[in-house]
Amino acid sequence: QSVLTQPPSASGTPGQRVTISCSGSNSNIGNNFVFWYQQLPGTAPKLLISRTNQRPSGVPDRFSASRSGTSASLAISGLRSEDEADYYCASWDDNLSAKFGGGTKLTVL
Amino acid sequence: EVQLLESGGGLVHPGGSLRLSCAAAGFTFSRDALSWVRQAPGKGLEWVSTISGGGGGTYYADSVKGRFTISRDNANNTLYLEMNSLRAEDTAVYYCARTGEVWLQPDYWGQGTLVTVSS
Repeated sequence: QSVLTQPPSASGTPGQRVTISCSGSNSNIGNNFVFWYQQLPGTAPKLLISRTNQRPSGVPDRFSASRSGTSASLAISGLRSEDEADYYCASWDDNLSAKFGGGTKLTVL
Repeated sequence: EVQLLESGGGLVHPGGSLRLSCAAAGFTFSRDALSWVRQAPGKGLEWVSTISGGGGGTYYADSVKGRFTISRDNANNTLYLEMNSLRAEDTAVYYCARTGEVWLQPDYWGQGTLVTVSS
């Protein structure tokens, strides 16, 4: 059981906007940066969002993220077929450990 | 360009040991914290361990504490993970990742090395 809770699956049609949630606690999301990763099948994770809401260079602005209290969310607008992947949230925890969410499998219908 | 290349994975019997290495290039190695993150077959990502830039701070997941040791050689830009008393549940792809600061999360990842614990 992951400390950060994500829905196991999400879906949308091309062009739609989808959101993926990540629920934690005061010791992790509530007090530390949140990071989001995209993992395509058979590949290493790729950083999508840094420091809660910062997009690294090269990440399309279709990807955005936010935080409210002890929960965070990733939004993907203008959904495309190549967005079909697994998405993970992560955060440092004040008990001196890092936490990952269980992952959300995004399907583009 | 940041490059991280893991090596040392393979098949090991339960109770055995293995040492993973990660050769790094393209950034100021001694400045940045580094982490190991693993992924069991068909499962999600699991943080394993993080080490500070100078090597003085080390942090472990409860699942590996007392069995795994993270270390680094800043003279040779190499990160290590010494794994002892291996169990079947340690079977996973192990990723080396640059973390920057201990309290941040990875920005660059290696391609991973597969560790299989089986009799």
